[in-house]
Amino acid sequence: ILNVEQSPQSLHVQEGDSTNFTCSFPSSNFYALHWYRWETAKSPEALFVMTLNGDEKKKGRISATLNTKEGYSYLYIKGSQPEDSATYLCAFNNNNDMRFGAGTRLTVKP
Amino acid sequence: NAGVTQTPKFRILKIGQSMTLQCAQDMNHNYMYWYRQDPGMGLKLIYYSVGAGITDKGEVPNGYNVSRSTTEDFPLRLELAAPSQTSVYFCASKFNTGELFFGEGSRLTVL
Repeated sequence: ILNVEQSPQSLHVQEGDSTNFTCSFPSSNFYALHWYRWETAKSPEALFVMTLNGDEKKKGRISATLNTKEGYSYLYIKGSQPEDSATYLCAFNNNNDMRFGAGTRLTVKP
Repeated sequence: NAGVTQTPKFRILKIGQSMTLQCAQDMNHNYMYWYRQDPGMGLKLIYYSVGAGITDKGEVPNGYNVSRSTTEDFPLRLELAAPSQTSVYFCASKFNTGELFFGEGSRLTVL
């Protein structure tokens, strides 16, 4: 069973706040950990694909870290903007299978 | 490149009817996946394929079938549609450890 858990389920922040989400996944048979951004009425779009323990990735104000030994990844958003409002999904890839967590729904208020 | 193309975008079915959701990708990706979007549950994996001729079950395969006769195409068949299959379906593909590319989704309602 591949349980991928994300927390919190939802988050409301003010513009300018920094925030972070957690993704936990099985620590065995690890192949890759993905983060996606999913806006309402659109398809998910990739943010990061991380494959190595200790990986840190950054794209603008968004960054992510990976700990494969303990089975968790953090996604950070610095200085949140209203356009960051979306659902953020992580997905655990165990070579073939690829399963998603339920997501963290972020709302950034102006 | 068209990316991942799903058809139809919308469909209403009666209970007991069957249909096929089409998915095609033109990126020569080896991995293809079908997910359904359930409210508050994110994306649930229905079936996946690691290459032509190879398919495997995901988390919620009951009531569905797939085939992968070519690298490009990965159709999802619903047999004997039930109201519980009302959902938005997403097809996605990737190459090895790369990112997933998603289709635009197919909204299916079973009445």
